Amino acid sequence: AQSVSQHNHHVILSEAASLELGCNYSYGGTVNLFWYVQYPGQHLQLLLKYFSGDPLVKGIKGFEAEFIKSKFSFNLRKPSVQWSDTAEYFCAVNVDNAGNMLTFGGGTRLMVKP
Amino acid sequence: NAGVTQTPKFRILKIGQSMTLQCTQDMNHNYMYWYRQDPGMGLKLIYYSVGAGITDKGEVPNGYNVSRSTTEDFPLRLELAAPSQTSVYFCASSLQLQETQYFGPGTRLLVL
Repeated sequence: AQSVSQHNHHVILSEAASLELGCNYSYGGTVNLFWYVQYPGQHLQLLLKYFSGDPLVKGIKGFEAEFIKSKFSFNLRKPSVQWSDTAEYFCAVNVDNAGNMLTFGGGTRLMVKP
Repeated sequence: NAGVTQTPKFRILKIGQSMTLQCTQDMNHNYMYWYRQDPGMGLKLIYYSVGAGITDKGEVPNGYNVSRSTTEDFPLRLELAAPSQTSVYFCASSLQLQETQYFGPGTRLLVL
């Protein structure tokens, strides 16, 4: 079965710092990749997704992620974080032979200090 | 569109009690899902449905049951609540296979 690893469980940054959250998955075939965000007290929302094409995808609120197939990675980045980016971030993977089942990583809780 | 709605928002159960978590979507999505979210563990798929009348087990189905009598509704049933079922439950839906899933606001369940 596929697995998804997010190595940073907690990240604390000051405003304007750059952000990179790691995501690695363990499946060698064709994958669809997602980053979801959960703001405090809210439900999960899609930040961005990769299905095919340009491996650098841009999402909402200035986030982007790069799919590196050789490294089985899909890291999330933002050049300059804001206090409002404080949230929990989940990487998720959907593989070809798993129907529409998403496998989620454990999440990374980001706190941005004003 | 209201999207995906869930009720209740919060519930406390005693061990052995039963309850149904409601989930409704108004986007005419074929696929619906139930996840549980435990701290540090991400989301685990409990059950999913690819259309009315069709359900299938996910990763952690034990202790739960589902039904899908209509496209809109996908209730999750706990028959004999156990402390291990204390969690936050999210319902989600998607239009097609491998499409973006849209999540409801969640139900926080505490079993004592």
